[in-house]
Amino acid sequence: SQQGEEDPQALSIQEGENATMNCSYKTSINNLQWYRQNSGRGLVHLILIRSNEREKHSGRLRVTLDTSKKSSSLLITASRAADTASYFCATDSMEYGNKLVFGAGTILRVKS
Amino acid sequence: ETGVTQTPRHLVMGMTNKKSLKCEQHLGHNAMYWYKQSAKKPLELMFVYNFKEQTENNSVPSRFSPECPNSSHLFLHLHTLQPEDSALYLCASSQRWTRTSNYFVDTQYFGPGTRLTVL
Repeated sequence: SQQGEEDPQALSIQEGENATMNCSYKTSINNLQWYRQNSGRGLVHLILIRSNEREKHSGRLRVTLDTSKKSSSLLITASRAADTASYFCATDSMEYGNKLVFGAGTILRVKS
Repeated sequence: ETGVTQTPRHLVMGMTNKKSLKCEQHLGHNAMYWYKQSAKKPLELMFVYNFKEQTENNSVPSRFSPECPNSSHLFLHLHTLQPEDSALYLCASSQRWTRTSNYFVDTQYFGPGTRLTVL
């Protein structure tokens, strides 16, 4: 299996609810990033968290990192229909030559 | 608008055709990347260019040939492709690409992609 794996694969919620997506990885990392991709479009960087950080916020986004469990979570609060997209975590680590390695993503659908 | 443009946005080609994908970044970055995104698979890194020099070729078949004439432009030349090469091809750029730092940070900026269909 791959370095980064998101969970769940798909998530469907009502507008206004919170959405939580998780990412697990295998090796020690330098940084972890979350990206968003609208259908058939390029990826857009959302937030970066360093390995020595535990939590970061950006607007309605909250990212946590637990290096002991090799996992991260992305929380989107008060979701909107426009948040409908695929969300990917990406890690960089010495073991993978410091290249960004992306997970398969979580498909989020926010129903209005 | 991320500052990275790709043309064409859609391309349909036969297996015997030769075509090229173009990417241009307006961000002053020094590193550029080609990725392949197939349905239900993680993003696959294909090539990395740093200061116009190719630093990564991720075991990509020779029917894909990259070219980086300067830090702002990146091409992917395609010839004798197979139907399984049909995918979304994404270009990205970042400020720098280095193997030396333990705190290497690589936020990448992506173009909108080229949807390639090989018949």
